Amino acid sequence: GIQVEQSPPDLILQEGANSTLRCNFSDSVNNLQWFHQNPWGQLINLFYIPSGTKQNGRLSATTVATERYSLLYISSSQTTDSGVYFCAVAENTGFQKLVFGTGTRLLVSP
Amino acid sequence: GEEVAQTPKHLVRGEGQKAKLYCAPIKGHSYVFWYQQVLKNEFKFLISFQNENVFDETGMPKERFSAKCLPNSPCSLEIQATKLEDSAVYFCASSQSQGGYTFGSGTRLTVV
Repeated sequence: GIQVEQSPPDLILQEGANSTLRCNFSDSVNNLQWFHQNPWGQLINLFYIPSGTKQNGRLSATTVATERYSLLYISSSQTTDSGVYFCAVAENTGFQKLVFGTGTRLLVSP
Repeated sequence: GEEVAQTPKHLVRGEGQKAKLYCAPIKGHSYVFWYQQVLKNEFKFLISFQNENVFDETGMPKERFSAKCLPNSPCSLEIQATKLEDSAVYFCASSQSQGGYTFGSGTRLTVV
């Protein structure tokens, strides 16, 4: 099955700093999503981005499908950005299950 | 509505008891998925449905786990004779077309 790797596993930032999270995947995908799991356990959908670039406020994401990676950019980080960021992909054959990476744990300190 | 509604939010069961979790997908979404998050960073796929039909059940432990999605009812995930290792957060997600999957807020199951 498809493999998903995320880096770095852990990240500590000072408030206001920028960061880039990476997701590599091993095969063609027709779905790639970035999620933020907050400290209360809620899984919040950030981007649906199987290809291209999207922006939402301080967050943006880029997926280069041909090279099998996606990047999530967080600018001017805030303490509320803390939590775990997951990349999840579905193989390129219809409504397949999402396969999750192991996440990047982000801690933003004031 | 525009959210996936999972109930209950928390469930505590003694070892050996039955647990039943519910998921109401977004109206119009015909695909439903169940995931188990045991350790904070690990999601395990359990089962998916296309309407009331099982679509993919490759992740389901066959012995004690079962799931249904019946017309005009919330989907359900049932665990017979719970074990300590079933303690986890169970997430449900739904999808209709290419636009991503929407997750509910999860049910935290604690087996004591």
